[in-house]
Amino acid sequence: AQKITQTQPGMFVQEKEAVTLDCTYDTSDPSYGLFWYKQPSSGEMIFLIYQGSYDQQNATEGRYSLNFQKARKSANLVISASQLGDSAMYFCAMREAFSTGTASKLTFGTGTRLQVTL
Amino acid sequence: DTAVSQTPKYLVTQMGNDKSIKCEQNLGHDTMYWYKQDSKKFLKIMFSYNNKELIINETVPNRFSPKSPDKAHLNLHINSLELGDSAVYFCASSQVRPGAGSPLHFGNGTRLTVT
Repeated sequence: AQKITQTQPGMFVQEKEAVTLDCTYDTSDPSYGLFWYKQPSSGEMIFLIYQGSYDQQNATEGRYSLNFQKARKSANLVISASQLGDSAMYFCAMREAFSTGTASKLTFGTGTRLQVTL
Repeated sequence: DTAVSQTPKYLVTQMGNDKSIKCEQNLGHDTMYWYKQDSKKFLKIMFSYNNKELIINETVPNRFSPKSPDKAHLNLHINSLELGDSAVYFCASSQVRPGAGSPLHFGNGTRLTVT
């Protein structure tokens, strides 16, 4: 079963507008973490933001915020005031705290390609 | 002051050859990973080492063999390369902490092309 689902293969947003990238997840682990990464066309993976399952408040990092709805198992990324440099692939990922091994893996979604237009 | 560095950046080789990708991290992390990103951009874990010990070994052909000489280095050796091995291979590291909160720090990737 898919643990991380990103249903938007591609999104367009105009410069200076806000955009929401969707992510839903599936886990029975009570303790887990949700991550968003950005992959520009140059290929590197850039960590953006983290939300823990027990965090009471939604995470924010500059123009990035995470809309965490635990009951719905969703962790959408909101980018405010989009810039041309935000054009990239965005990946949602999850780590389950009690998964096998002390170095539990990050499981990634299939990504959303965001294009920021003038 | 690169945090996670992997070499080479590009690797073009013929089917049947053996090749290695090297990875080093200077973040002092305990855990290192190899991920494979296919042509559709899907990222899948291959291996994980914690303090030189193999922790995660996903369903990966035996032709792939990771080696961790110390906790700052994790190399990937691939024998008898096949066309389907063409992908981008990412090395990553993280600190082990209680709970799930440690992000992975990725290297810049190695684009492997098998002809």
